[in-house]
Amino acid sequence: EAQVTQNPRYLITVTGKKLTVTCSQNMNHEYMSWYRQDPGLGLRQIYYSMNVEVTDKGDVPEGYKVSRKEKRNFPLILESPSPNQTSLYFCASSSTPRGEQYFGPGTRLTVT
Amino acid sequence: AQSVSQHNHHVILSEAASLELGCNYSYGGTVNLFWYVQYPGQHLQLLLKYFSGDPLVKGIKGFEAEFIKSKFSFNLRKPSVQWSDTAEYFCAVNAPYGGATNKLIFGTGTLLAVQP
Repeated sequence: EAQVTQNPRYLITVTGKKLTVTCSQNMNHEYMSWYRQDPGLGLRQIYYSMNVEVTDKGDVPEGYKVSRKEKRNFPLILESPSPNQTSLYFCASSSTPRGEQYFGPGTRLTVT
Repeated sequence: AQSVSQHNHHVILSEAASLELGCNYSYGGTVNLFWYVQYPGQHLQLLLKYFSGDPLVKGIKGFEAEFIKSKFSFNLRKPSVQWSDTAEYFCAVNAPYGGATNKLIFGTGTLLAVQP
């Protein structure tokens, strides 16, 4: 089954404790993105990747890092999480730059 | 900068009522347009998309949308809603954005509640 998976689905952590949210897709897509969803703000792009080792900032990259060492994986790293990073995070992938994006199930992160 | 506006933030309808959700975007060039739906507690799913051709596109679950280039609009419609359509609906536009090639810009979403 074609899908995008994310782990963990729920995470509660404390300020400053480094964490990684994993994202993996099995559709051989080149393009992957991370979004955060906040009430009243819709989805905002954090980072995206056009291929292995090629990443770039989206609209809200501060406080986040990403890496793309393999085509299927695109982890999101929060080196020192802060409460304003409490949000719902979605990973997405697509086969073409402007095509349909397939979304993962989301990771609800709470930073206290 | 490109932007997407969804004018209805919260819509409440009774079952069998007709639905129209507005979406306007600001980019003047070629765009790809999408409507996504997010059911409670779930991830985003594609309802329908427009790339080119017939400006009236049909999606899943009886939804359709009309692209009106002169109005920069891509409104979502459904003739008769059901309780199961209760969800949040997002309009999105994919357009060139600076040097990026994969910029999907979302509206802020419309929360639809259908009362039985």
